[in-house]
Amino acid sequence: GDSVTQMEGPVTLSEEAFLTINCTYTATGYPSLFWYVQYPGEGLQLLLKATKADDKGSNKGFEATYRKETTSFHLEKGSVQVSDSAVYFCALSTSADKLIFGTGTRLQVFP
Amino acid sequence: DTAVSQTPKYLVTQMGNDKSIKCEQNLGHDTMYWYKQDSKKFLKIMFSYNNKELIINETVPNRFSPKSPDKAHLNLHINSLELGDSAVYFCASSQGSGGEQYFGPGTRLTVT
Repeated sequence: GDSVTQMEGPVTLSEEAFLTINCTYTATGYPSLFWYVQYPGEGLQLLLKATKADDKGSNKGFEATYRKETTSFHLEKGSVQVSDSAVYFCALSTSADKLIFGTGTRLQVFP
Repeated sequence: DTAVSQTPKYLVTQMGNDKSIKCEQNLGHDTMYWYKQDSKKFLKIMFSYNNKELIINETVPNRFSPKSPDKAHLNLHINSLELGDSAVYFCASSQGSGGEQYFGPGTRLTVT
């Protein structure tokens, strides 16, 4: 069945470091891909999305490119801030209109 | 002007009780969902409704019964609560198939 695999955390970085969180997926058909972020004690917020191969989603300095050939959707940011500390979820949307999430990756950024 | 709201935010109850969680969205979306997030932060869909009709039911025990009185509301009723039901429950909504989903703030359910 459809699934999403994310790198295990926590990812610990110093402020202004480069961030990569790996995400790969298995799906039949052509899913849409998403990154959601969950700040402590809050619900999930959509960070960015891509709906077809080679699309790049971007928001708040974060980027991810839909790579069909490697079935990947890695999240990157050039310079992280303390305020980026959160749990990041990669997800795909199936033809059945449900989101399948990865296990989440906790990011901790220190000043 | 909260887009997706849930009540209550926290719910502490004893095993065997029956409880409900309410969800409302003011985005005009036609599809609503319930997700469960366990203690390891893993998120899994439970149900989805489209225009008050059940679309997805992901092998959830029948102690869980969603009810959608109209397309802006999707409530979750849980009978005979068990310890394993302790989790954070998120409501979400979307417009159309494959569209982005907007999540509520979550309800933390603790069963003692």
